[in-house]
Amino acid sequence: DGGITQSPKYLFRKEGQNVTLSCEQNLNHDAMYWYRQDPGQGLRLIYYSQIVNDFQKGDIAEGYSVSREKKESFPLTVTSAQKNPTAFYLCASSIPGGLINQPQHFGDGTRLSIL
Amino acid sequence: AQKITQTQPGMFVQEKEAVTLDCTYDTSDPSYGLFWYKQPSSGEMIFLIYQGSYDQQNATEGRYSLNFQKARKSANLVISASQLGDSAMYFCAMRPTGNQFYFGTGTSLTVIP
Repeated sequence: DGGITQSPKYLFRKEGQNVTLSCEQNLNHDAMYWYRQDPGQGLRLIYYSQIVNDFQKGDIAEGYSVSREKKESFPLTVTSAQKNPTAFYLCASSIPGGLINQPQHFGDGTRLSIL
Repeated sequence: AQKITQTQPGMFVQEKEAVTLDCTYDTSDPSYGLFWYKQPSSGEMIFLIYQGSYDQQNATEGRYSLNFQKARKSANLVISASQLGDSAMYFCAMRPTGNQFYFGTGTSLTVIP
């Protein structure tokens, strides 16, 4: 079955440490996204990518970095510059462009906590 | 500016009753899609229903229907015959032309036995 796989499900970060969240999709989607969700809150866009080797900052990109070397993969690195990284992180993908009827498909998320 | 507003932080409904979750949107794009997602406590986002800006009829998917009022810029989700498993967060989202999606802050629905 096609879908989006996020790993790990739970992640713990020490102070001053960078951590990388994995996101892999086999839906053949060009567009991929990273969202942050804080308890009881909506989704805030961190980064998105429309095509391989291209990505744009979202609303809260500071302290995060991404790469898009393969169509299937869009890893997110939470750097030590992100002072409040504890949150639930969701990766999504979609068919790009003017196809407004195409929804985003989501992974199951990664819960990141500070040790 | 693109914006989605959900004004109900929390809602309660009796099992087997219907409930309406509100969503209003703002966009200057003439063409856009509207989506509803369900997020159970486990965290995954489940796509429920879609409505296109040019669709003449309201969308329906099983017990879910979308009350689309274009002039009022509203896209309310109606869940009929509520079940205990419907207890979750519900998010309204909009996709104007392009790749970005815009989400509301969500409504927490609790179904009471």
